[in-house]
Amino acid sequence: KQEVTQIPAALSVPEGENLVLNCSFTDSAIYNLQWFRQDPGKGLTSLLLIQSSQREQTSGRLNASLDKSSGRSTLYIAASQPGDSATYLCAVSEVETSGSRLTFGEGTQLTVNP
Amino acid sequence: GAGVSQSPSNKVTEKGKDVELRCDPISGHTALYWYRQSLGQGLEFLIYFQGNSAPDKSGLPSDRFSAERTGGSVSTLTIQRTQQEDSAVYLCASSLRSRVTVYGYTFGSGTRLTVV
Repeated sequence: KQEVTQIPAALSVPEGENLVLNCSFTDSAIYNLQWFRQDPGKGLTSLLLIQSSQREQTSGRLNASLDKSSGRSTLYIAASQPGDSATYLCAVSEVETSGSRLTFGEGTQLTVNP
Repeated sequence: GAGVSQSPSNKVTEKGKDVELRCDPISGHTALYWYRQSLGQGLEFLIYFQGNSAPDKSGLPSDRFSAERTGGSVSTLTIQRTQQEDSAVYLCASSLRSRVTVYGYTFGSGTRLTVV
């Protein structure tokens, strides 16, 4: 059974810092890995998607990497801003399940202090 | 539509009543998923639709939960005889099944269900 773990569970940083969020998964048979952002009381906003054949994806100040063989992904946020405060979720799309559904980590709750 | 639409956004119901939650996926998306997020917990898979059929219902927590999809579009998640432990945010997602590896999944804003 696929298990996804995110470290740390919570992170508080001053504005302007660069930071790294970590995600690990136990089964490397994935179609893709997707990073989402969730604001309090809201749904999920997709940030980056990395296909299983890719190593990284970039969007603005965000960079996500994938090492499928070791079951790891990182989300790098450059020059953090208070508006980045949210919960960040990592999810993998499983090859072995019907519909290739997503399995989520528990999330990292990020607070960026002005 | 432009995105995944869920209604209602908030629902408060009395214990024992039935509720219906609606999801309108992105037009043309053949795959539809329901997830549940309980307070302080991660997202839990409930059910997957491909077209109007549900090949995977393995995540439905009890027989009080059911879902259907009509016309390959709108889906309804029904919870009968609601219990307090059903209180959660119910999220719907859709994807273009043939291109999920490239485009991934799009989520709606969710329905926050509170059973009192």
